[in-house]
Amino acid sequence: KNEVEQSPQNLTAQEGEFITINCSYSVGISALHWLQQHPGGGIVSLFMLSSGKKKHGRLIATINIQEKHSSLHITASHPRDSAVYICAATDDYGGATNKLIFGTGTLLAVQP
Amino acid sequence: ETGVTQSPTHLIKTRGQQVTLRCSSQSGHNTVSWYQQALGQGPQFIFQYYREEENGRGNFPPRFSGLQFPNYSSELNVNALELDDSALYLCASSSDGIYGYTFGSGTRLTVV
Repeated sequence: KNEVEQSPQNLTAQEGEFITINCSYSVGISALHWLQQHPGGGIVSLFMLSSGKKKHGRLIATINIQEKHSSLHITASHPRDSAVYICAATDDYGGATNKLIFGTGTLLAVQP
Repeated sequence: ETGVTQSPTHLIKTRGQQVTLRCSSQSGHNTVSWYQQALGQGPQFIFQYYREEENGRGNFPPRFSGLQFPNYSSELNVNALELDDSALYLCASSSDGIYGYTFGSGTRLTVV
């Protein structure tokens, strides 16, 4: 079992739909990251959060520390939102390293 | 801010050869992490450098080595390349490894 699990693995939506991607983790973390990766491309950091909720434009990220669960929401989805969305946790082993532990990603396709 | 720049963007090497990948960190960032992303997989942590010292390493053999320079740019060296080393190599910089990460676009390495 991966330390960071995402669901769904694949998601197809119609333009304008509200989208939710879920992330569960089993390790102690200092922060949870939501990242976006376009096919064949590099990674863009969307959010880093350790509690509560953050919003940026049409994107909203929430985290529940007690339940070890985070969600990424996209309102009024658009075809340009099509990408892989990756949840990653910054480990909290108390050492100097704050490596990222990645989920396997959710491939989102938004159709016009 | 100039972001994170990786070079080269694409590279083809023969099994057994050695390769050096380069990463220029975002201005003000003193921590750099390297990740390997195989096709269809999430990125895996290789190692992290903080102020020119390696301060964390993932489950990769010693033929994966790195350097961080006084200007916080970094190199990833891989010796005795194997076919399974074919992947996208991502560099991410941060300030003290605590705050958000900035990712480069990656180097696509193909070993034939």
